Amino acid sequence: QSVLTQPPSASGTPGQRVTISCSGSSSNIGRNAVHWYQQLPGTAPKVLICSNNQRPSGVPDRFSGSKSGTSASLAISGLQSEDEADYYCAVWDDSLKGWVFGGGTKLTVL
Amino acid sequence: QVQLQQSGPGLVKPSQTLSLTCAISGDSVSSNSAAWNWIRQSPSRGLEWLGRTYYRSKWFNEYGVSVKSRISIKPDTSKNQFSLQLNSVTPEDTAVYYCASLTGDISYWGQGTLVTVSS
Repeated sequence: QSVLTQPPSASGTPGQRVTISCSGSSSNIGRNAVHWYQQLPGTAPKVLICSNNQRPSGVPDRFSGSKSGTSASLAISGLQSEDEADYYCAVWDDSLKGWVFGGGTKLTVL
Repeated sequence: QVQLQQSGPGLVKPSQTLSLTCAISGDSVSSNSAAWNWIRQSPSRGLEWLGRTYYRSKWFNEYGVSVKSRISIKPDTSKNQFSLQLNSVTPEDTAVYYCASLTGDISYWGQGTLVTVSS
């Protein structure tokens, strides 16, 4: 059971906008900056968002992050077939004194 | 740009010690703003944070509850790298292991190492 709760799956058609949620608590998302990762099969997680809503260089602006209270969201606009992957949220937890991760959301592009 | 290069064996026998190393380029293991982490991923446990080492005028280590009694993470300033040792491994420790530089606004990951615990 993951500390952060994500929906196990999400889907959309090319060009659509999709949102993936990540629910936590006051000891993690409520206090600290959220990361979002994309993972393709057999590869390491690739960071899409740091500091709740900051995109590292090279990440398309189709990806955006937001946070409100103890929840965070990743939005993908202009969905493309290559966006089909697993997506994870992560954040430091002050009570557990460690990084915690969501269980992952498998995104399917129909 | 920070790059992390992992090395170490992919097969470890039960009850023995898992050892991995992460070489850093583009930053210093002694940086006062970075933190050097080990994370693993398995189908049964998902992504699991194992621990970290970092330097803030002195060295600190923090470890995850699930492995606290068996883990050691150490910096090596002479080689600009850090290492993971996990003792008394069982088949449940089979996973892909990643090193990573993680803070609120920074995230760099190594390429991952599949470690299988089997006799």
